[in-house]
Amino acid sequence: DIEMTQSPSSLSASVGDRVTITCRASQGITNSLSWYHQTPGKAPRLLVYAASRLESGVPSRFTGRGSGTDYTLTISSLEPEDFGTYYCQQYYSNVLTFGGGTKVEHK
Amino acid sequence: EVQLLESGGGFIPRGGSLRLSCAASGLSFSAYSMTWVRQAPGKGLAWVSTITDSGDRTFLADSVKGRFTVSRDNSNYALYLHMSSLRDDDTAVYFCVAGTSSAYWGQGTLVTVSS
Repeated sequence: DIEMTQSPSSLSASVGDRVTITCRASQGITNSLSWYHQTPGKAPRLLVYAASRLESGVPSRFTGRGSGTDYTLTISSLEPEDFGTYYCQQYYSNVLTFGGGTKVEHK
Repeated sequence: EVQLLESGGGFIPRGGSLRLSCAASGLSFSAYSMTWVRQAPGKGLAWVSTITDSGDRTFLADSVKGRFTVSRDNSNYALYLHMSSLRDDDTAVYFCVAGTSSAYWGQGTLVTVSS
């Protein structure tokens, strides 16, 4: 199975900060990588698919980049609604795998 | 509007069986592979199973192989997860997802395995 290593596991930030989250796959996944945001009690929300394509309705402050095994999600200027937990997920394999999550908390 | 509505969760004794259902609407159901993802209390997301659009192939996480099966009824826009030999670590919210990278998630149904 493809292992997804996400870092950091948590970070503290303020509104307006630039935030970057990293995800590393245990093997190449040819950009078959999505990013989700989840708040407590809610289903995850898709932000980015195919490593860099923004889902419809997602603000342009979110940017996905990467290739091969290494991917990043950057929030250019954190907004109040952006706190919560972010997950990467690969869908290169029929055995889907998620990263462990990055909890973005108020500083 | 796409809607995925899970049902069938609840309290179940260790070793018991349960069937979860997911009712889909607002999408061409038979065009989508369908996935179950679970989330244990306070933990991250974990993939459970995927079934192809036609239902001819299924994929299961190692942790549930031999205990869970997935099926679908395209004529009734329904997805199922048949769970047996339930263990404490199967306690989780189970989400139904359209596709394998998707904007379409249900709100989840909670399964609590209790001794």
